[in-house]
Amino acid sequence: NAGVMQNPRHLVRRRGQEARLRCSPMKGHSHVYWYRQLPEEGLKFMVYLQKENIIDESGMPKERFSAEFPKEGPSILRIQQVVRGDSAAYFCASSPAGVYADTQYFGPGTRLTVL
Amino acid sequence: AQSVAQPEDQVNVAEGNPLTVKCTYSVSGNPYLFWYVQYPNRGLQFLLKYITGDNLVKGSYGFEAEFNKSQTSFHLKKPSALVSDSALYFCAVRDGERAAGNKLTFGGGTRVLVKP
Repeated sequence: NAGVMQNPRHLVRRRGQEARLRCSPMKGHSHVYWYRQLPEEGLKFMVYLQKENIIDESGMPKERFSAEFPKEGPSILRIQQVVRGDSAAYFCASSPAGVYADTQYFGPGTRLTVL
Repeated sequence: AQSVAQPEDQVNVAEGNPLTVKCTYSVSGNPYLFWYVQYPNRGLQFLLKYITGDNLVKGSYGFEAEFNKSQTSFHLKKPSALVSDSALYFCAVRDGERAAGNKLTFGGGTRVLVKP
């Protein structure tokens, strides 16, 4: 009964490189959410996806950031041309569909460091 | 718009004493309220939630929270704190109206330190 899985757990990139963060939701969950946690701050919503659909991307920066949740495989958060300000912990959460969709379960996070 | 305030950055309590972590919220529709705990370098663990029903909600590890609509509060409580409860606690809110979507808005977090 695996929980939400994220990889890698730690990612180091140099400025200008691309970062790809992966999230596999809990078994049976079809909703995925991405949040960002800056040092000493709370989590900020980025994007909410269902299979093959972006439902709410109101928290995504307008440039360089994109997310997908394909029919097969994990959800991917992609950051192009990373800058030092992108250094943060990125958390994925998942929930089931329907009446139990209200509770989101979080993965261990990916800690991105941009040099 | 929805928002959450956790007025205390840190709460210190002696082991065995009651623990309270404060949370107030603002949301236009019906509030869905959550508490999560985060241990160092770990993800968030779900503790409890209020959706509807009894104002006193019981959750994991002996924690409970009381929903107070008039004061727009959802304070987390534990009658007798343990050293192992030392962690970062987050309150979160979601607007229960379907059109508002599922995104959670988090407070800034409260660090709890339980001393032996």
